[in-house]
Amino acid sequence: EAGVAQSPRYKIIEKRQSVAFWCNPISGHATLYWYQQILGQGPKLLIQFQNNGVVDDSQLPKDRFSAERLKGVDSTLKIQPAKLEDSAVYLCASSFVNPQAGTDTQYFGPGTRLTVL
Amino acid sequence: GDSVTQMEGPVTLSEEAFLTINCTYTATGYPSLFWYVQYPGEGLQLLLKATKADDKGSNKGFEATYRKETTSFHLEKGSVQVSDSAVYFCALPNQAGTALIFGKGTTLSVSS
Repeated sequence: EAGVAQSPRYKIIEKRQSVAFWCNPISGHATLYWYQQILGQGPKLLIQFQNNGVVDDSQLPKDRFSAERLKGVDSTLKIQPAKLEDSAVYLCASSFVNPQAGTDTQYFGPGTRLTVL
Repeated sequence: GDSVTQMEGPVTLSEEAFLTINCTYTATGYPSLFWYVQYPGEGLQLLLKATKADDKGSNKGFEATYRKETTSFHLEKGSVQVSDSAVYFCALPNQAGTALIFGKGTTLSVSS
């Protein structure tokens, strides 16, 4: 079974530029997550989709970050304009069933490492 | 709010040494608890989990027991290998029971 795919793996941009990341979840997984992992910290949820609807985007900086999952399969996360503090690894994860209270396994992609200069 | 606290790293061990990585949590109720591992250049992988108090999760020689009395979920392995070198994350679900809350991670380096 193919895992969660992400691209690009690395991206370097200058502040105030825009950038987009792509994620393709495991086939059949209804739930998709985007996490931000700053160096030395654990991943933090940015947004969660159930099919093509948003379940939780409370931690997404909506003035500069946006995400979509139009057909309920792959997803794009965009940052515009980027700031220095956005330098991090952006992880995509997916899970099969509707999230239960801590029992659902999330499968993570390799991540996109973003450097903002 | 709910949170996870892990011991500071890095942890440096020789091959075949005993490993303990401490994890304590703060949560409402008794959520499931997880350990994820991140090998160099790869995404996070679920290592083990426990869904209720006194459960023991185990995988690849690693074990962790869900202790509600001490709100802990310490990761242990009796004999580490060089291939265990990675970053280990303790995690629990957020209050909505959807996404995960992770600790800061503990880097393990094993030398031969």
